[in-house]
Amino acid sequence: DAGVIQSPRHEVTEMGQEVTLRCKPISGHDYLFWYRQTMMRGLELLIYFNNNVPIDDSGMPEDRFSAKMPNASFSTLKIQPSEPRDSAVYFCASSINERTGEQFFGPGTRLTVL
Amino acid sequence: AQSVTQPDIHITVSEGASLELRCNYSYGATPYLFWYVQSPGQGLQLLLKYFSGDTLVQGIKGFEAEFKRSQSSFNLRKPSVHWSDAAEYFCAVEASGTYKYIFGTGTRLKVLA
Repeated sequence: DAGVIQSPRHEVTEMGQEVTLRCKPISGHDYLFWYRQTMMRGLELLIYFNNNVPIDDSGMPEDRFSAKMPNASFSTLKIQPSEPRDSAVYFCASSINERTGEQFFGPGTRLTVL
Repeated sequence: AQSVTQPDIHITVSEGASLELRCNYSYGATPYLFWYVQSPGQGLQLLLKYFSGDTLVQGIKGFEAEFKRSQSSFNLRKPSVHWSDAAEYFCAVEASGTYKYIFGTGTRLKVLA
Protein backbone atom coordinates (compact mmCIF):
# COMPACT_ATOMS: atom_id res chain seq x y z
CA ASP A 1 0.00 0.00 0.00
CA ALA A 2 1.26 3.45 -0.87
CA GLY A 3 0.14 4.97 2.39
CA VAL A 4 -1.80 8.20 2.68
CA ILE A 5 -1.28 10.36 -0.38
CA GLN A 6 -1.52 14.12 -0.33
CA SER A 7 -1.28 16.63 -3.12
CA PRO A 8 0.17 19.02 -3.80
CA ARG A 9 3.21 18.72 -1.53
CA HIS A 10 3.82 22.44 -1.75
CA GLU A 11 1.46 25.24 -2.62
CA VAL A 12 2.24 28.93 -2.90
CA THR A 13 -0.63 31.26 -3.53
CA GLU A 14 -1.62 34.86 -3.10
CA MET A 15 -3.98 36.19 -0.52
CA GLY A 16 -7.58 35.95 -1.63
CA GLN A 17 -7.08 32.95 -3.88
CA GLU A 18 -8.86 29.65 -3.43
CA VAL A 19 -6.73 26.73 -2.31
CA THR A 20 -7.68 23.07 -2.53
CA LEU A 21 -5.70 20.37 -0.78
CA ARG A 22 -6.27 16.73 -1.63
CA CYS A 23 -5.97 13.48 0.24
CA LYS A 24 -6.28 9.83 -0.62
CA PRO A 25 -6.52 7.66 2.49
CA ILE A 26 -5.27 4.12 2.84
CA SER A 27 -7.69 1.70 1.25
CA GLY A 28 -10.03 0.14 3.79
CA HIS A 29 -9.62 2.87 6.37
CA ASP A 30 -12.88 4.23 7.66
CA TYR A 31 -11.64 7.37 9.36
CA LEU A 32 -10.01 10.39 7.77
CA PHE A 33 -8.53 13.33 9.64
CA TRP A 34 -7.30 16.76 8.56
CA TYR A 35 -4.69 18.48 10.74
CA ARG A 36 -2.89 21.79 10.56
CA GLN A 37 0.61 22.28 11.94
CA THR A 38 2.07 25.68 12.74
CA MET A 39 4.92 26.82 14.94
CA MET A 40 2.58 28.81 17.12
CA ARG A 41 -0.22 26.31 17.62
CA GLY A 42 1.38 22.95 16.96
CA LEU A 43 -0.76 20.17 15.53
CA GLU A 44 -4.45 20.91 15.49
CA LEU A 45 -7.25 18.63 14.38
CA LEU A 46 -9.46 20.51 11.95
CA ILE A 47 -12.08 17.92 11.03
CA TYR A 48 -12.55 14.20 10.78
CA PHE A 49 -14.79 11.88 8.81
CA ASN A 50 -16.14 8.40 9.44
CA ASN A 51 -17.38 6.48 6.44
CA ASN A 52 -17.27 9.71 4.41
CA VAL A 53 -19.48 11.58 6.89
CA PRO A 54 -18.06 14.57 8.80
CA ILE A 55 -18.20 13.73 12.50
CA ASP A 56 -16.53 16.68 14.16
CA ASP A 57 -15.57 19.93 12.49
CA SER A 58 -15.15 21.93 15.66
CA GLY A 59 -11.50 22.55 14.82
CA MET A 60 -12.20 24.28 11.53
CA PRO A 61 -11.03 27.82 12.19
CA GLU A 62 -13.70 29.71 10.28
CA ASP A 63 -16.12 29.62 7.41
CA ARG A 64 -13.36 30.12 4.89
CA PHE A 65 -12.41 26.49 5.50
CA SER A 66 -14.45 23.60 4.18
CA ALA A 67 -13.81 19.89 3.77
CA LYS A 68 -15.51 17.19 1.79
CA MET A 69 -15.22 13.47 1.36
CA PRO A 70 -17.25 12.47 -1.69
CA ASN A 71 -16.13 8.85 -1.52
CA ALA A 72 -14.02 6.51 0.54
CA SER A 73 -10.85 7.21 -1.41
CA PHE A 74 -10.78 10.98 -1.67
CA SER A 75 -11.09 14.06 0.46
CA THR A 76 -10.48 17.76 -0.06
CA LEU A 77 -9.79 20.68 2.23
CA LYS A 78 -10.60 24.02 0.68
CA ILE A 79 -9.72 27.50 1.82
CA GLN A 80 -11.58 30.35 0.16
CA PRO A 81 -10.40 33.08 0.31
CA SER A 82 -6.94 32.29 1.63
CA GLU A 83 -5.09 34.58 4.02
CA PRO A 84 -1.41 34.77 5.02
CA ARG A 85 -2.26 33.37 8.48
CA ASP A 86 -3.39 30.16 6.80
CA SER A 87 0.22 29.39 5.94
CA ALA A 88 0.98 26.05 7.57
CA VAL A 89 1.58 22.39 6.88
CA TYR A 90 -1.67 20.50 6.43
CA PHE A 91 -1.68 16.80 7.17
CA CYS A 92 -4.20 14.18 6.27
CA ALA A 93 -4.35 10.95 8.27
CA SER A 94 -6.46 7.84 8.08
CA SER A 95 -7.35 5.09 10.50
CA ILE A 96 -9.06 1.76 10.37
CA ASN A 97 -12.26 1.33 12.29
CA GLU A 98 -10.99 -0.53 15.28
CA ARG A 99 -10.72 0.71 18.83
CA THR A 100 -6.96 0.50 19.05
CA GLY A 101 -6.09 1.61 15.54
CA GLU A 102 -3.35 4.11 14.94
CA GLN A 103 -3.61 7.06 12.62
CA PHE A 104 -1.41 6.92 9.54
CA PHE A 105 -0.24 10.30 8.36
CA GLY A 106 0.46 11.55 4.88
CA PRO A 107 3.56 13.60 4.07
CA GLY A 108 1.67 16.88 4.34
CA THR A 109 1.08 19.90 2.12
CA ARG A 110 3.11 22.98 2.89
CA LEU A 111 0.92 25.98 2.14
CA THR A 112 2.31 29.47 1.80
CA VAL A 113 -0.09 32.34 1.33
CA LEU A 114 1.62 35.56 0.27
CA ALA B 1 -10.76 18.97 29.03
CA GLN B 2 -8.04 16.63 27.93
CA SER B 3 -4.59 18.05 27.42
CA VAL B 4 -1.05 16.92 26.80
CA THR B 5 2.07 18.68 28.02
CA GLN B 6 5.56 18.13 26.73
CA PRO B 7 7.65 20.37 28.96
CA ASP B 8 10.85 20.18 26.94
CA ILE B 9 10.80 22.07 23.65
CA HIS B 10 14.37 21.14 22.74
CA ILE B 11 16.65 18.40 23.97
CA THR B 12 20.24 17.76 22.92
CA VAL B 13 22.01 14.51 23.64
CA SER B 14 25.23 12.91 22.47
CA GLU B 15 25.09 9.88 20.26
CA GLY B 16 25.11 6.75 22.40
CA ALA B 17 23.65 8.51 25.43
CA SER B 18 20.33 7.58 26.94
CA LEU B 19 17.21 9.59 26.25
CA GLU B 20 14.02 10.37 28.10
CA LEU B 21 11.31 12.62 26.69
CA ARG B 22 8.61 13.71 29.07
CA CYS B 23 4.89 13.69 28.51
CA ASN B 24 2.14 14.53 30.97
CA TYR B 25 -1.52 14.29 30.23
CA SER B 26 -4.74 15.45 31.77
CA TYR B 27 -7.60 13.03 31.41
CA GLY B 28 -10.33 11.70 33.65
CA ALA B 29 -10.21 8.06 32.69
CA THR B 30 -7.56 5.70 31.42
CA PRO B 31 -6.34 7.33 28.26
CA TYR B 32 -5.13 5.91 25.02
CA LEU B 33 -1.60 7.27 24.65
CA PHE B 34 0.72 7.52 21.68
CA TRP B 35 4.18 8.68 20.74
CA TYR B 36 4.82 9.78 17.19
CA VAL B 37 8.04 10.89 15.50
CA GLN B 38 8.31 13.45 12.72
CA SER B 39 11.47 13.71 10.66
CA PRO B 40 12.09 16.96 8.79
CA GLY B 41 9.71 17.38 5.88
CA GLN B 42 7.91 14.16 6.70
CA GLY B 43 4.61 13.10 8.16
CA LEU B 44 4.23 11.55 11.57
CA GLN B 45 5.14 7.95 12.23
CA LEU B 46 3.85 5.96 15.19
CA LEU B 47 6.54 4.82 17.61
CA LEU B 48 4.34 3.11 20.17
CA LYS B 49 0.96 3.18 21.84
CA TYR B 50 -0.63 2.27 25.16
CA PHE B 51 -4.21 1.18 25.68
CA SER B 52 -4.17 -1.15 28.63
CA GLY B 53 -2.23 -3.94 30.29
CA ASP B 54 1.50 -3.82 30.82
CA THR B 55 2.50 -0.27 31.62
CA LEU B 56 5.87 -0.62 29.88
CA VAL B 57 5.35 -0.50 26.14
CA GLN B 58 7.90 -1.41 23.52
CA GLY B 59 7.93 0.34 20.19
CA ILE B 60 9.87 0.55 16.98
CA LYS B 61 13.45 1.77 16.60
CA GLY B 62 14.35 0.65 20.13
CA PHE B 63 12.01 3.07 21.91
CA GLU B 64 9.93 2.27 24.95
CA ALA B 65 7.52 4.22 27.12
CA GLU B 66 6.12 3.73 30.59
CA PHE B 67 2.61 4.67 31.62
CA LYS B 68 2.44 5.92 35.20
CA ARG B 69 -1.11 6.61 36.24
CA SER B 70 -0.13 8.16 39.57
CA GLN B 71 1.99 10.74 37.78
CA SER B 72 -0.21 11.12 34.70
CA SER B 73 2.88 10.55 32.65
CA PHE B 74 3.88 8.60 29.59
CA ASN B 75 7.60 9.23 29.13
CA LEU B 76 9.50 7.97 26.12
CA ARG B 77 12.92 6.38 26.57
CA LYS B 78 15.74 4.97 24.56
CA PRO B 79 18.89 3.49 26.13
CA SER B 80 21.28 4.55 23.37
CA VAL B 81 20.49 7.30 20.88
CA HIS B 82 21.59 7.15 17.26
CA TRP B 83 22.20 10.17 15.05
CA SER B 84 19.21 9.13 12.94
CA ASP B 85 16.93 9.68 15.94
CA ALA B 86 17.20 13.44 15.50
CA ALA B 87 13.61 14.50 14.85
CA GLU B 88 10.60 15.97 16.56
CA TYR B 89 8.63 13.78 18.93
CA PHE B 90 4.97 14.17 19.74
CA CYS B 91 2.97 12.69 22.55
CA ALA B 92 -0.77 12.35 21.98
CA VAL B 93 -3.83 11.28 23.92
CA GLU B 94 -7.02 10.05 22.37
CA ALA B 95 -10.19 11.42 23.86
CA SER B 96 -12.09 8.29 24.77
CA GLY B 97 -14.59 7.10 22.24
CA THR B 98 -13.93 9.89 19.79
CA TYR B 99 -10.91 8.77 17.75
CA LYS B 100 -9.65 12.35 18.20
CA TYR B 101 -6.03 12.86 19.07
CA ILE B 102 -4.82 15.74 21.20
CA PHE B 103 -1.17 16.35 20.54
CA GLY B 104 1.47 17.88 22.73
CA THR B 105 3.56 20.71 21.38
CA GLY B 106 6.43 18.41 20.55
CA THR B 107 10.05 18.00 21.63
CA ARG B 108 12.77 18.56 19.09
CA LEU B 109 15.69 16.21 19.60
CA LYS B 110 19.19 17.06 18.47
CA VAL B 111 21.88 14.41 18.50
CA LEU B 112 25.54 15.35 18.74
CA ALA B 113 28.09 13.16 17.02
